[in-house]
Amino acid sequence: AQSVTQLDSHVSVSEGTPVLLRCNYSSSYSPSLFWYVQHPNKGLQLLLKYTSAATLVKGINGFEAEFKKSETSFHLTKPSAHMSDAAEYFCVVSDTNFGNEKLTFGTGTRLTIIP
Amino acid sequence: EAGVAQSPRYKIIEKRQSVAFWCNPISGHATLYWYQQILGQGPKLLIQFQNNGVVDDSQLPKDRFSAERLKGVDSTLKIQPAKLEDSAVYLCASSPLATSGGVWGNEQFFGPGTRLTVL
Repeated sequence: AQSVTQLDSHVSVSEGTPVLLRCNYSSSYSPSLFWYVQHPNKGLQLLLKYTSAATLVKGINGFEAEFKKSETSFHLTKPSAHMSDAAEYFCVVSDTNFGNEKLTFGTGTRLTIIP
Repeated sequence: EAGVAQSPRYKIIEKRQSVAFWCNPISGHATLYWYQQILGQGPKLLIQFQNNGVVDDSQLPKDRFSAERLKGVDSTLKIQPAKLEDSAVYLCASSPLATSGGVWGNEQFFGPGTRLTVL
């Protein structure tokens, strides 16, 4: 069975400072890993995805994440936070066993940006 | 490119009533998903269609929930009768490739969701 654990339910950072959102995963197979962002009253949007290519993945809006198999982690980072980054972020794992792609979402991390 | 469309955006009903949600996926997307997102939780998959066939409905409460995807395009999700615990946002998503062996890392595109309140 696959699962993800988002270690912080809420993170607050000042504008212009680095962002770190932590995620650990559990998967029986070689996983695909994603980060999605959800702004209020808007649909989920893909930030980035890892699919066994480069372990450092770059996404939209300056975000990136590093896949660390030894630590079963896929933390999301950004060097400098912007006010528009305030949103809910979901770490997601996908097992592709038997070709049936099923996403399992974490519980989310709410990111607050302090002016 | 138009995104995933859902309607209505908001719905308030009383318990034991029925409700239906509609989803129009991105044109050409073979796979369609319905998720339930309860406040404070991540989305949970209810049902997955590939064209007009069901791939996975293992987490769909079949005694009250039903879904169909006629002609492999639009889809409706119905709850009958609704319970208080069904209050949630119902998300529809679609992806461009049919699931098959070796296809993975496939992005899902999400609609804005329907917020259901059951009183």
